[in-house]
Amino acid sequence: QSALTQPASVSGSPGQSITISCTGTSSDVGGYNYVSWYQQHPGKAPKLMIYEVSNRPSGVSNRFSGSKSGNTASLTISGLQAEDEADYYCSSYTSSSTQFGGGTKLTVL
Amino acid sequence: EVQLVESGGGLVQPGGSLRLSCAASGFTFSSYWMHWVRQAPGKGLVWVSRINSDGSSTSYADSVKGRFTISRDNAKNTLYLQMNSLRAEDTAVYYCARDFLANDAFDIWGQGTMVTVSS
Repeated sequence: QSALTQPASVSGSPGQSITISCTGTSSDVGGYNYVSWYQQHPGKAPKLMIYEVSNRPSGVSNRFSGSKSGNTASLTISGLQAEDEADYYCSSYTSSSTQFGGGTKLTVL
Repeated sequence: EVQLVESGGGLVQPGGSLRLSCAASGFTFSSYWMHWVRQAPGKGLVWVSRINSDGSSTSYADSVKGRFTISRDNAKNTLYLQMNSLRAEDTAVYYCARDFLANDAFDIWGQGTMVTVSS
């Protein structure tokens, strides 16, 4: 049960776009279209931002989008805003467990 | 209001036991798979366990298998995590989460309850 691989940190200026990658294997990310992305602000519970690779829950800004190619999923945030500064985690369904990525700290410069 | 409220955390000695509870309200609890996820201080999210809607199927992370037991009481709208043989590395905030599509998309999270394992 190895964690999915995410970059430790990314940064961008307000208005720019950034992409966070999430690399797994054919047993998790590559094997199912069940990748989710979560945003977590300090001291708060995580919030679901993307599910099933590219679907947005009601109420989540359309500045957030998801995609997948092979064993790597990606979260793109366009039009960066100060409130987007947070930790972001990917996760993937497997038949026996849920795998989370190690998390990526997004800094808005 | 749809919400999950965890309770039962606290300080416990290594080798001890603790039972966490997660009270659900505002939705039909018995229709959803549920999960426990933990987060050690300053670290990332780690999945712990999941249970299907009627409680007949469970899964565990290797790190807790044989020591933790997930269960639910649909009549009481409550999810549980029985934690035995606790270790220092189990120290974390424990969150319960609703899996709204039964494919590990967690749309509702509790506020978390802190478990500290220390002598």
